[in-house]
Amino acid sequence: QGQLVESGGGVVQPGTSLRLSCEVSGVPFSGYSMTWVREAPGKGLEWVAAISHDGTRIDYGDSVKGRFTISRDDSKRRLYLQMNSLRPEDTARFYCVRIGFGVSFGGGFDPWGQGTLVTVSS
Amino acid sequence: QSVLTQPPSVSAAPGQKVTISCSGSSSNIGNNYVSWYQRLPGAAPRLLMYENDKRPSGIPDRFSGSKSGTSATLGITGLQTGDEADYYCGTWDSSLSAGVFGGGTKVTVL
Repeated sequence: QGQLVESGGGVVQPGTSLRLSCEVSGVPFSGYSMTWVREAPGKGLEWVAAISHDGTRIDYGDSVKGRFTISRDDSKRRLYLQMNSLRPEDTARFYCVRIGFGVSFGGGFDPWGQGTLVTVSS
Repeated sequence: QSVLTQPPSVSAAPGQKVTISCSGSSSNIGNNYVSWYQRLPGAAPRLLMYENDKRPSGIPDRFSGSKSGTSATLGITGLQTGDEADYYCGTWDSSLSAGVFGGGTKVTVL
């Protein structure tokens, strides 16, 4: 059974930065696109960003474009999300997800990590 | 406001059937595959359906998916108490160049 373990979350002040990391084990990492999805308290799922299997294609949601950067290191089987200029509305649980089925950046998300909580507050 | 529209809640008795609708537009559902996810209380979401109507291994055939035009539907037959969860549809939006989700539907087993 695949395991995706996120780390790097925490409580930070508005305007600061945070880097999330996701270690993938038990399932193939190379050859698969990856994505970050977040869930704000009491809200639904929000797609954040995705990166193709070879890193040549990257897309971001409008709410994070220009502030967040997704990247991957296949040698370490890790996915990253660099988050700059954080805002209170970025407060959410961030899930690392492999795009395990299909080729679209918009679906086939499997498996999911348990998520890491990011709180942006002064 | 979510790009995809789902009913906030649906309910039915054990053993009955529920359907969850997901409405979008030509830039998302109309021209892209739809996936469905189940989020049990306190757990991470899991994939139920991909490419409109395909089930990953391990997902029982009580769950079914379909798409017509700019709408998609998830069906659950033989409803069980363990099916109580939030269900989300998701797809790619070609105009936004971003993934999009519905607002989620809470399924309650009466």
